[in-house]
Amino acid sequence: EAGVAQSPRYKIIEKRQSVAFWCNPISGHATLYWYQQILGQGPKLLIQFQNNGVVDDSQLPKDRFSAERLKGVDSTLKIQPAKLEDSAVYLCASSLEWVEKLFFGSGTQLSVL
Amino acid sequence: DQQVKQNSPSLSVQEGRISILNCDYTNSMFDYFLWYKKYPAEGPTFLISISSIKDKNEDGRFTVFLNKSAKHLSLHIVPSQPGDSAVYFCAASGTNFGNEKLTFGTGTRLTIIP
Repeated sequence: EAGVAQSPRYKIIEKRQSVAFWCNPISGHATLYWYQQILGQGPKLLIQFQNNGVVDDSQLPKDRFSAERLKGVDSTLKIQPAKLEDSAVYLCASSLEWVEKLFFGSGTQLSVL
Repeated sequence: DQQVKQNSPSLSVQEGRISILNCDYTNSMFDYFLWYKKYPAEGPTFLISISSIKDKNEDGRFTVFLNKSAKHLSLHIVPSQPGDSAVYFCAASGTNFGNEKLTFGTGTRLTIIP
């Protein structure tokens, strides 16, 4: 069974630039999550989708971050414009149902200079 | 507001001995707890879970203990092996509305000394 796929693995941008991350969850998993992990901290939920609907985006900085999951399968997370404090690993995860164990991708490491 | 706390950033244990990783939580609505293991440059992988109706769950060398009155859980690894060297995250969620999302602790870096 293929795992959660994420791309790119690494991204370096300058502040005020835009960046986008892509995620393809495990086949059949209805719930998809984007987490932000800043160095030395645990993953923090940014947004949770159930199929193509948003369940929780309470911690998403909506003035600069956006995410979509148009067909209920893969998803993109965008940051526009990026700030220095956005430097982090962005993890995508999926699960069959919510409140279930999550399967994580390898993440995208973003450095904002 | 850190609802899930792992107060030990790091832990070193001799190979073959027991590793004990601790986690405390403050939200009394949490009723499902998980441990994840993370190697460098990889995403976290699920290790073991426990629901609040139990106080212990075992899976091979890994056992999780839950003390609801103290809002404390611990992960025991016996015997510890070099491949267990990783960062371990404790996570918690509730099944009631508003608490379903998984909240992670800050992690404990476990180093197994050969």
